[in-house]
Amino acid sequence: DIQMTQSPSSLSASVGDRVTITCRASQSISNYLNWYQQKPGKGPKLLIYAASSLQSEVPSRFSGSGSGTDFTLIISSLQPEDFATYYCQQTYSSPPDTFGQGTRLEIK
Amino acid sequence: EVQLVESGGGLVQPGGSLRLSCAASGFTFSSFAFHWVRQAPGKGLEFVSAISSNGGTTYYANSVEGRFTISRDNSKNTLYLQMGSLRAEDMAVYYCARKQRLTQGHYYFDYWGQGTLVTVSS
Repeated sequence: DIQMTQSPSSLSASVGDRVTITCRASQSISNYLNWYQQKPGKGPKLLIYAASSLQSEVPSRFSGSGSGTDFTLIISSLQPEDFATYYCQQTYSSPPDTFGQGTRLEIK
Repeated sequence: EVQLVESGGGLVQPGGSLRLSCAASGFTFSSFAFHWVRQAPGKGLEFVSAISSNGGTTYYANSVEGRFTISRDNSKNTLYLQMGSLRAEDMAVYYCARKQRLTQGHYYFDYWGQGTLVTVSS
């Protein structure tokens, strides 16, 4: 199975900050990479698919980039509702599709 | 409005069985494949099982192969996960997720349920 490693595992930031979360695959996955946001007690919400395509109705402050093994999720200006846990997911070699371990974004 | 509503979770003893359901509404259920994804307490997301739109193709994680069975009833717009020989490590919130295909291989989960908690304990 392809392993997905996110960094950092957690970070603290303030409203208005620019935040970068990275995801690394154990082998090349082209752009078969999705990003999700999860808030406590809720199912995940799709943010970005195919590495850089913004899901409908997701604010434009979210963006994704990367190809091969290294990917990035950027939140350009943090809003209060963005404090959550973020997961990357590879669908290049599936099943099983695999997720990163998550990045918990907390308020500083 | 697209909705996925899981049910059937609860407390079960090790070795016991449970059937989860995921009731879908607001779209043509029979046109989509689905996955079950679980999340152990305080942990990340883990693939459990997948089923094609007509139910003819299924996949399982190695950890549940032979113990869990995924199925669907397209006439009832409902997805199922029959869970047997449950172990402590199966304890998790179980989510159903709708699979949206882009091109061959490219897909994502555009809708998720709210999850149902399975607790395995004596």
